Amino acid sequence: EAQVTQNPRYLITVTGKKLTVTCSQNMNHEYMSWYRQDPGLGLRQIYYSMNVEVTDKGDVPEGYKVSRKEKRNFPLILESPSPNQTSLYFCASGRTGHYGYTFGSGTRLTVV
Amino acid sequence: DAKTTQPTSMDCAEGRAANLPCNHSTISGNEYVYWYRQIHSQGPQYIIHGLKNNETNEMASLIITEDRKSSTLILPHATLRDTAVYYCIVRGDYKLSFGAGTTVTVRA
Repeated sequence: EAQVTQNPRYLITVTGKKLTVTCSQNMNHEYMSWYRQDPGLGLRQIYYSMNVEVTDKGDVPEGYKVSRKEKRNFPLILESPSPNQTSLYFCASGRTGHYGYTFGSGTRLTVV
Repeated sequence: DAKTTQPTSMDCAEGRAANLPCNHSTISGNEYVYWYRQIHSQGPQYIIHGLKNNETNEMASLIITEDRKSSTLILPHATLRDTAVYYCIVRGDYKLSFGAGTTVTVRA
């Protein structure tokens, strides 16, 4: 089944403890992206990648890192999480050109 | 990318067609209109997209006006499972910028 898989689905962590949220897609998509969703602010793009080793900042990149060493994986790294990064995170992937993107099921992160 | 304007909310009766309007008066010639929906806190789901011609797929139809300044998403026979937030997005290159969307409630 074609899908974008995020792990974990839920995570509670403490301030300052490095964490990684994984994202993997099995559709050979070139494009991948991370979004966060917060009440009243909607979905905002954090980082995106047009292909392997090509990444760029979205609208809210502060406090996050990403890497794209393989086409299928696009992990989101929080080096020193803070409570303001408590959010619902979504990974998406898609083909280049005008096609719809496929989103993962989300990761609900709580930083205390 | 051009901004869009959608109603905040709308109700629809189960089994009836749901017509969701979207204004995008500043759309550029190379920008497409995309529709996604988000059911509760699930990941957004792609519905349909178009440039200037009307489009139809198994989920919905998209009607774009001739001047491309507005469009309508049509869910032909709404069901309770269609209750969701629907986002109309104008996309030029790769980026999807989500607005507040329209909260659609389908009532039995």
